[in-house]
Amino acid sequence: SAVISQKPSRDICQRGTSLTIQCQVDSQVTMMFWYRQQPGQSLTLIATANQGSEATYESGFVIDKFPISRPNLTFSTLTVSNMSPEDSSIYLCSVERAGAMGETQYFGPGTRLLVL
Amino acid sequence: GENVEQHPSTLSVQEGDSAVIKCTYSDSASNYFPWYKQELGKGPQLIIDIRSNVGEKKDQRIAVTLNKTAKHFSLHITETQPEDSAVYFCAASLGNQFYFGTGTSLTVIP
Repeated sequence: SAVISQKPSRDICQRGTSLTIQCQVDSQVTMMFWYRQQPGQSLTLIATANQGSEATYESGFVIDKFPISRPNLTFSTLTVSNMSPEDSSIYLCSVERAGAMGETQYFGPGTRLLVL
Repeated sequence: GENVEQHPSTLSVQEGDSAVIKCTYSDSASNYFPWYKQELGKGPQLIIDIRSNVGEKKDQRIAVTLNKTAKHFSLHITETQPEDSAVYFCAASLGNQFYFGTGTSLTVIP
């Protein structure tokens, strides 16, 4: 498994501001992922963050809105820029690591964001 | 791309009864199927997974079955307990891309 922490655990922000979410893993991983989970909904992949290269964004998500950093193999940040109430969601980071059945994803506890 | 459907969206069972959650997928190339449990205020937790070369896997009170021909897989929880109450997500994977179902909110009534 993996021990993953996220900061902050929750925040209330004003529209037009930006928030940076941190994700820390207990040991080195190659693949890190950022997901958004809107209230009562499933998980939507925002981007894949690999160390030493630009993040790869999914359709509907752009770097200007969700810039990502991956400075080393245990840490990543996701910034939610110029926030609006529609950005209110849970933001989850996950890492790919070997499990009993091969490579799988393990999730952090999430960051609960409310934009007013 | 892959499309994963999950049913039911909500499920209530009496404590001690069994619960079954079903998922279908569209891409026959998907070869890995994890299940996650998400409790209120927490991130999804991997509870069981299966690869396409296996038809069934069991871990204590939970089991997963996979029918590759029909492209569906199911989560079975026996002897349910109140602490099983949570939202459960299935996923289908090809490589490192995971596609999630829409979730099932399970309530176990004491």
